Amino acid sequence: DAGVIQSPRHEVTEMGQEVTLRCKPISGHNSLFWYRQTMMRGLELLIYFNNNVPIDDSGMPEDRFSAKMPNASFSTLKIQPSEPRDSAVYFCASSFGGQVANSPLHFGNGTRLTVT
Amino acid sequence: GENVEQHPSTLSVQEGDSAVIKCTYSDSASNYFPWYKQELGKRPQLIIDIRSNVGEKKDQRIAVTLNKTAKHFSLHITETQPEDSAVYFCAASMRSSYKLIFGSGTRLLVRP
Repeated sequence: DAGVIQSPRHEVTEMGQEVTLRCKPISGHNSLFWYRQTMMRGLELLIYFNNNVPIDDSGMPEDRFSAKMPNASFSTLKIQPSEPRDSAVYFCASSFGGQVANSPLHFGNGTRLTVT
Repeated sequence: GENVEQHPSTLSVQEGDSAVIKCTYSDSASNYFPWYKQELGKRPQLIIDIRSNVGEKKDQRIAVTLNKTAKHFSLHITETQPEDSAVYFCAASMRSSYKLIFGSGTRLLVRP
């Protein structure tokens, strides 16, 4: 089991550019989460998918953020246009579960995004 | 609202001593309480979890206790070692939902 795989590990971009983060969940897991981590705000849940369907995107900061999960083995988080305040570590996590959060989350290694 | 409070924010102990980190949660319906360890520059990793039908769980040097009446749970690390140095996060499920709300983290430093 390779675990949750995220790419790229690091991304440096200029303000206004489009950024796409990618995630491959653990095979067999049916829940996928995107988190953002900053010193000021800690770990924030951005969006949650269950069986490839977005269930709650209330944590997405604004319309500049969008996420997709076209199939069970792939998800993307896109920021367009990016801003310096988007600089953070973005984690993807997966688990096997339904509507109840009682299964362990397995995190990917994260993408460190820097927007200059 | 949905909230998990964690303290202390930093904790420094001598190698071999015990460390205790405490969390309180707001939602009485919470039923799952995991703890994650995050080393510098790495991903959070689950170290232990407990469900609401259990009051205590132990795994070698790590134990977690849960007091549902008071709505708090604690992580206990005994015989601390330098490799225990990391940031520890508690979390709680919210109202039978998919959401795990994380505490703000405790930076543990174990001095050799």
